[in-house]
Amino acid sequence: DTGVSQDPRHKITKRGQNVTFRCDPISEHNRLYWYRQTLGQGPEFLTYFQNEAQLEKSRLLSDRFSAERPKGSFSTLEIQRTEQGDSAMYLCASSLSDGYTFGSGTRLTVV
Amino acid sequence: RKEVEQDPGPFNVPEGATVAFNCTYSNSASQSFFWYRQDCRKEPKLLMSVYSSGNEDGRFTAQLNRASQYISLLIRDSKLSDSATYLCAVTPYDKVIFGPGTSLSVIP
Repeated sequence: DTGVSQDPRHKITKRGQNVTFRCDPISEHNRLYWYRQTLGQGPEFLTYFQNEAQLEKSRLLSDRFSAERPKGSFSTLEIQRTEQGDSAMYLCASSLSDGYTFGSGTRLTVV
Repeated sequence: RKEVEQDPGPFNVPEGATVAFNCTYSNSASQSFFWYRQDCRKEPKLLMSVYSSGNEDGRFTAQLNRASQYISLLIRDSKLSDSATYLCAVTPYDKVIFGPGTSLSVIP
């Protein structure tokens, strides 16, 4: 499969726990993006990487959120001390130039 | 004002109808424009890029008006399988900004 892969597909966690999501982009894509989507809204930009460098972080990304792309390949998004408001679909996308390819997303439910 | 705005709908149209979606964007520095399709509980998928001269892909036609900062998508001869949410997206710098999406239901 040469698409964007995200793991896990679903995650249910208790409030206050930490969670980590993984994204494996298309191998030749040097840009990797994280978005968050809630019901009835479009995807909201969180952060993006060009190779291993994190070039931009949204104001939506509080200090509880951290993302890494250590070797310029896969990326992780960690949320510490989860809150109910963090419940959403977390989407990863990769690109080489214009136009993204999205992964299937990780659906997070904080109870 | 949101960077990208769309009428959320829903648009309920009969099979075979023509339906048009509109989108406005606020950042005049936007360089690239797209329409994405998103099925329920699935990831967005690129439907088509939008070029200044307008472009067509089968039953789908996209138009861009840079002066008015306005993008449109026209779907002709609607099929049941066109039922989805259509997301307008623009790239002002290095990232894509999405609108909230317009929901389309094509009814038999």
